[in-house]
Amino acid sequence: DIQMTQSPSTLSASVGDRVTITCRASQSITSLLAWYQQKPGKAPKLLIYKASSLESGVPSRFSGSGSGTEFTLTISSLQPDDFATYYCQHYDAYFYSFGQGTKLEIK
Amino acid sequence: EVHLVESGGGLVQPGGSLRLSCAASGFTFSSYSMLWVRQAPGKGLEYVSVISSNGVYTYYANSVKGRFTISRDNSNNTLYLQMGSLRADDTAVYYCARDRRYGEADYWGQGTLVTVSS
Repeated sequence: DIQMTQSPSTLSASVGDRVTITCRASQSITSLLAWYQQKPGKAPKLLIYKASSLESGVPSRFSGSGSGTEFTLTISSLQPDDFATYYCQHYDAYFYSFGQGTKLEIK
Repeated sequence: EVHLVESGGGLVQPGGSLRLSCAASGFTFSSYSMLWVRQAPGKGLEYVSVISSNGVYTYYANSVKGRFTISRDNSNNTLYLQMGSLRADDTAVYYCARDRRYGEADYWGQGTLVTVSS
């Protein structure tokens, strides 16, 4: 099974900062990678799909990139609403694998 | 508007069974694969199971294989998860979600809590 590993596990940042979260796969994968944002007590929200496609309604400060084994989620200028936990997720032939999550905290 | 509403969670003893339901509305349910994802308290997201749009194909995480059964009723727009031989480490919020097309889960329910404890 392909394992997805996110780094860092926790990230402290300030409003206005540019932040990047990395998701590494245990082997080369297709671009069928998604990113989600989750706030406490809420369901995850889709941000990015197919590695770099922005979900409708998601602010353009969110972007995704990458290929092979390394993928990134970048928030260009953090807003107060962005402090949450972020997950990457890979899909391959009816198998879904999530990263362990990155908690984005206010510095 | 798309809505997914889970139900059926609760407290169950180890070794017991429980059936979760997910009522879907606002889209053509029979056109989408549907999945269950769970989240143990304070932990990350874990894929549980997926079912193809027509219900022919079903897949499971190794952690639940042989104990859980996913099914769907396309005539009633409902997704199910029959859980058996429950263990303490099955305790989690269980979400149903829609696989839009490329493995991305674009809509999620609010979740239902399953607690396995004596």
